[in-house]
Amino acid sequence: RKEVEQDPGPFNVPEGATVAFNCTYSNSASQSFFWYRQDCRKEPKLLMSVYSSGNEDGRFTAQLNRASQYISLLIRDSKLSDSATYLCVVNQLDSSYKLIFGSGTRLLVRP
Amino acid sequence: SAVISQKPSRDICQRGTSLTIQCQVDSQVTMMFWYRQQPGQSLTLIATANQGSEATYESGFVIDKFPISRPNLTFSTLTVSNMSPEDSSIYLCSVVFDRGTTEAFFGQGTRLTVV
Repeated sequence: RKEVEQDPGPFNVPEGATVAFNCTYSNSASQSFFWYRQDCRKEPKLLMSVYSSGNEDGRFTAQLNRASQYISLLIRDSKLSDSATYLCVVNQLDSSYKLIFGSGTRLLVRP
Repeated sequence: SAVISQKPSRDICQRGTSLTIQCQVDSQVTMMFWYRQQPGQSLTLIATANQGSEATYESGFVIDKFPISRPNLTFSTLTVSNMSPEDSSIYLCSVVFDRGTTEAFFGQGTRLTVV
């Protein structure tokens, strides 16, 4: 079983749609959670951290369910510029500070 | 925000040769890491670059193949040694500035093609 699992997609949605990505992680000791965005042929960029209480940043909402070891990202009112691969990332917060990446979910927003 | 400079941005190399990739940050960082991203895949951690000591390698990666240096808090190099076409990949430097948040930031990546 992979440590971090995501639906690879692609998700093909029209502009203005709401789309949700899910992610599960296997290590219950995981402490920090993130969503990264990666555009084609670019490096990953931090989109948002995910907190236990959930957090929102404009059109983006992230949720964490520790009991189910499940993380989600909701994008409302999709824009063409949201087209990218979204990476679910988990950190054990042990002394190593290593990030474990999911395989990514590809989003295509069409006009 | 800090600047992470990685170079070269791309290279085409002959098999059997070695390439050294540099990562320079304009402020001190807590942690530095090297990742590999093979075509169509997600990121895989190669090693943690430790200042002034040997890097900590992940399973499947060895020092002879991927020697790493980190002489100070702002600079690290990764060498891909005795390259083969299977080493064709994107190599990414990553840094953590704050142990409290553990948010990681990436260099622009080095796109390596081995022919």
